[in-house]
Amino acid sequence: DTEVTQTPKHLVMGMTNKKSLKCEQHMGHRAMYWYKQKAKKPPELMFVYSYEKLSINESVPSRFSPECPNSSLLNLHLHALQPEDSALYLCASSQFRGTNEKLFFGSGTQLSVL
Amino acid sequence: AQSVTQPDIHITVSEGASLELRCNYSYGATPYLFWYVQSPGQGLQLLLKYFSGDTLVQGIKGFEAEFKRSQSSFNLRKPSVHWSDAAEYFCAVGDRNNYGQNFVFGPGTRLSVLP
Repeated sequence: DTEVTQTPKHLVMGMTNKKSLKCEQHMGHRAMYWYKQKAKKPPELMFVYSYEKLSINESVPSRFSPECPNSSLLNLHLHALQPEDSALYLCASSQFRGTNEKLFFGSGTQLSVL
Repeated sequence: AQSVTQPDIHITVSEGASLELRCNYSYGATPYLFWYVQSPGQGLQLLLKYFSGDTLVQGIKGFEAEFKRSQSSFNLRKPSVHWSDAAEYFCAVGDRNNYGQNFVFGPGTRLSVLP
């Protein structure tokens, strides 16, 4: 299994809603990532988890709250989002063993905030 | 911190023609270098990567890239483009000091293919 699975594929939410994005991989990877991608722009790193611990937070607003319950799962909890947060949210994973690092990406969740 | 530039925002080629997409990076040492491709509304797929050794690397779908340290470049090439190659292409740099976790993507080059 060489897939990173993201759910849901599409999400529409109001600014007062609370929702969660989910990401799952069964490749034994020990690093997992959240990226945000606006239309016609490159992905921007938000968070990195290494061995289930948050290792990188790229100054992301607190309305985005990541969680890594175990080595296979990564969640992104959303609360009180703004319309400008509408974007494609990509999850990725990597081995975290130094010599063969590459990112495996999921297909993303297309988020619209109304 | 590392950075990546892709000088060409949009390139159009005819099917069967050769292709070269440019990538320049800024990094204090030899970086991890990658090329990813993204179809609309999809995630990114790795085409190829360079870590060390042979500076000409082969990837999937007939793509290759050459690392040139003197020019800080990692250009992507394909000898004959197929219509299915139309997509967005991202060059990326990984930080060797952190197992490559700090992946930074270039702005992307959109490839259009004429029949």
